[in-house]
Amino acid sequence: DVKVTQSSRYLVKRTGEKVFLECVQDMDHENMFWYRQDPGLGLRLIYFSYDVKMKEKGDIPEGYSVSREKKERFSLILESASTNQTSMYLCASSRPLAGGTLGELFFGEGSRLTVL
Amino acid sequence: AQKVTQAQTEISVVEKEDVTLDCVYETRDTTYYLFWYKQPPSGELVFLIRRNSFDEQNEISGRYSWNFQKSTSSFNFTITASQVVDSAVYFCALSDTGGFKTIFGAGTRLFVKA
Repeated sequence: DVKVTQSSRYLVKRTGEKVFLECVQDMDHENMFWYRQDPGLGLRLIYFSYDVKMKEKGDIPEGYSVSREKKERFSLILESASTNQTSMYLCASSRPLAGGTLGELFFGEGSRLTVL
Repeated sequence: AQKVTQAQTEISVVEKEDVTLDCVYETRDTTYYLFWYKQPPSGELVFLIRRNSFDEQNEISGRYSWNFQKSTSSFNFTITASQVVDSAVYFCALSDTGGFKTIFGAGTRLFVKA
């Protein structure tokens, strides 16, 4: 069964701590994404990567960084966590389909981060 | 700028009722993709349907159907004879052809009561 696995379902951190959220996919997908989900705002794109060591900013990259050292792994880093980063974080992956059709996103179960 | 609006925040229906979830989008692109995803209480978003901008055919999959109308920039989702297992948050999404920046609506939470 194909999967996107996020390392932690629930985390509680203190303001100023460095936080790592890990994501691994086993589908050999080129593209990986980090979104945050907040009530009333839907999903907002933080960063994405279309290849190993490549990364691009999404719509809300401030306060975050990412790392993609291997094709299957995409990490989200909060250098100094703040209370406004309390949220649900969703990792996703995708790949193009035959004929250039845009592939759908496959999501992990999410990591709910609380910053105190 | 691209935008997806799901005006219905929450909908509550009784089992076996039909329900339509609205989605209105904005884009200047002539080629784009629209999606619907379901997020059950477990949290993992699941893909339901993809439609590209050149394909306005409506689609039916079991109890689910989708109505895509470019003239009104809408991509509405209807569940016929709803069931308790349909209770979830449903997201409409819009993407350019590159697929790197998919924009999601705020979601509609559907409650189906037995």
